[in-house]
Amino acid sequence: DAEITQSPRHKITETGRQVTLACHQTWNHNNMFWYRQDLGHGLRLIHYSYGVQDTNKGEVSDGYSVSRSNTEDLPLTLESAASSQTSVYFCASSETPGNEQFFGPGTRLTVL
Amino acid sequence: ILNVEQSPQSLHVQEGDSTNFTCSFPSSNFYALHWYRWETAKSPEALFVMTLNGDEKKKGRISATLNTKEGYSYLYIKGSQPEDSATYLCAFDDGNKLVFGAGTILRVKS
Repeated sequence: DAEITQSPRHKITETGRQVTLACHQTWNHNNMFWYRQDLGHGLRLIHYSYGVQDTNKGEVSDGYSVSRSNTEDLPLTLESAASSQTSVYFCASSETPGNEQFFGPGTRLTVL
Repeated sequence: ILNVEQSPQSLHVQEGDSTNFTCSFPSSNFYALHWYRWETAKSPEALFVMTLNGDEKKKGRISATLNTKEGYSYLYIKGSQPEDSATYLCAFDDGNKLVFGAGTILRVKS
């Protein structure tokens, strides 16, 4: 069965360190998204991609970057982790715009 | 910044009660409206994707309506069960990306 996975599931890091969160999907979807979950805000979009070599900034992109070298993967990098980036991060994919998005299990990141 | 509002913020009902939530969104640049169900410690799962004004969708005891002209959607749950307890998210789709509301937390007591 097709699926979307994230790793690690839990990560503790220190302020200033670079951190990369992995997202891998086997749906063969062109569209992939990264969100962060914050109390009172629901899910907020960080970055998204419509295909290989395509990346776009979302609502809360500062301090984050993504790259898309193949269809299956969209890693999210925190260049210099800050305490404000402590959150749960969800990756999602969809076949086309307007279709439902399929979410990964989430990564809980704590920045000390 | 595009604003998607959901009300109420939370709801506590008894088993068997019927309930409904509201999602308000901008009426311009509309492509679709999504509803997701999000159980604690799990990932959001899609309930409905609606695109046409007047659309009504149903899945078991859950149904949704859409009014794109006035910018709102209702989600109804008939005869709530404890397993319906979850956060219900709506998301405005402009054809490129989703903007989520903060969600409505539903707790159903048995």
